[in-house]
Amino acid sequence: SQQGEEDPQALSIQEGENATMNCSYKTSINNLQWYRQNSGRGLVHLILIRSNEREKHSGRLRVTLDTSKKSSSLLITASRAADTASYFCATDPDSNYQLIWGAGTKLIIKP
Amino acid sequence: IAGITQAPTSQILAAGRRMTLRCTQDMRHNAMYWYRQDLGLGLRLIHYSNTAGTTGKGEVPDGYSVSRANTDDFPLTLASAVPSQTSVYFCASSETGPTGELFFGEGSRLTVL
Repeated sequence: SQQGEEDPQALSIQEGENATMNCSYKTSINNLQWYRQNSGRGLVHLILIRSNEREKHSGRLRVTLDTSKKSSSLLITASRAADTASYFCATDPDSNYQLIWGAGTKLIIKP
Repeated sequence: IAGITQAPTSQILAAGRRMTLRCTQDMRHNAMYWYRQDLGLGLRLIHYSNTAGTTGKGEVPDGYSVSRANTDDFPLTLASAVPSQTSVYFCASSETGPTGELFFGEGSRLTVL
């Protein structure tokens, strides 16, 4: 069963705008990760946030984690055409040491 | 550094045939994983190996088997392929264990007719 659910399923924005994707999960977790997948390629790790962290930055990426709401958001600022990809969250539930994946958000950046 | 290498990239297979998907890593990671990715379902774990010589079942292991004879190689075998095994298969590895950062191969697209 899926632990993480991304929202929205698809997002289309203009280049230069900010993109926000959300991930909700069902049980308590140790950490949450975000990955990017370009069309036809493998997944690439973006950022990991631990359950005792509330916010983390990496370049143009900002991830927040709200454990009380069991949700996380990924913000991509000043989007570029190269950001067009699918984005997945993966959680590490306390009771299960394997990652559980959401179905992803498909992001399209229009030039 | 190549990272994770998967082969074949793509394969069309008749139902009932045996197929082995190959996965090799050059990062000396202890943990390795096989996932399948189907549209709308995200990634589902098939089998994993926390270290050479050990393997374990994931969420969807039926119809698949794996072996881990050494650190670098983690082949996935479909003993008798069925159409429901049509999917994109990803091999991944992790240095820090089952829930650390995963490094993925480029995938093997398998079609079972």
